[in-house]
Amino acid sequence: EAEVAQSPRYKITEKSQAVAFWCDPISGHATLYWYRQILGQGPELLVQFQDESVVDDSQLPKDRFSAERLKGVDSTLKIQPAELGDSAMYLCASSSETNTQYFGPGTRLLVL
Amino acid sequence: DQQVKQNSPSLSVQEGRISILNCDYTNSMFDYFLWYKKYPAEGPTFLISISSIKDKNEDGRFTVFLNKSAKHLSLHIVPSQPGDSAVYFCAASAGPAAGNKLTFGGGTRVLVKP
Repeated sequence: EAEVAQSPRYKITEKSQAVAFWCDPISGHATLYWYRQILGQGPELLVQFQDESVVDDSQLPKDRFSAERLKGVDSTLKIQPAELGDSAMYLCASSSETNTQYFGPGTRLLVL
Repeated sequence: DQQVKQNSPSLSVQEGRISILNCDYTNSMFDYFLWYKKYPAEGPTFLISISSIKDKNEDGRFTVFLNKSAKHLSLHIVPSQPGDSAVYFCAASAGPAAGNKLTFGGGTRVLVKP
């Protein structure tokens, strides 16, 4: 069964450092999403791509977060500089024409 | 404001009995609803979905009920098994016009006791 791949699974960094997360969606899925999940809450959308284009980044803190999907396949989410409040699970999901999004295993980020 | 709410943060049920998870929403534009299950340190796994044109959808032990007039949906798990112990998230979408964006509830932690 096809799955969404994410790496790394865990990342510990110090505040003010840069971090990057990678996501490879299910093959053929044109839509890719990055979510942030804080412990005890539901996932919240950061950015949505349709192929290589951003269609929604209204909740992305653009002063420190950036995302790209250059060839419309895999994607990278970057934080620079990281802050203590960025500690969370970062989830990537993908979907085809349907409404159902399929999630990867996530990257758990701890900022010290 | 929270557009999707799961008012019960936790639920404990005996193995073999029914688990009922509830979810309320406020946005009348939502027309597609999903339930996800999440184990610690893993991503959410899709369980079951329902379109607003239906009031019930069943898949094995999982059944989702939708009451549009009350803006309420529920997930029934029968019979509950210890492996069902996880956090369950309700999610809603307003469809392609809203980019199929999902809005999640805060989750309900389910513990199934052997």
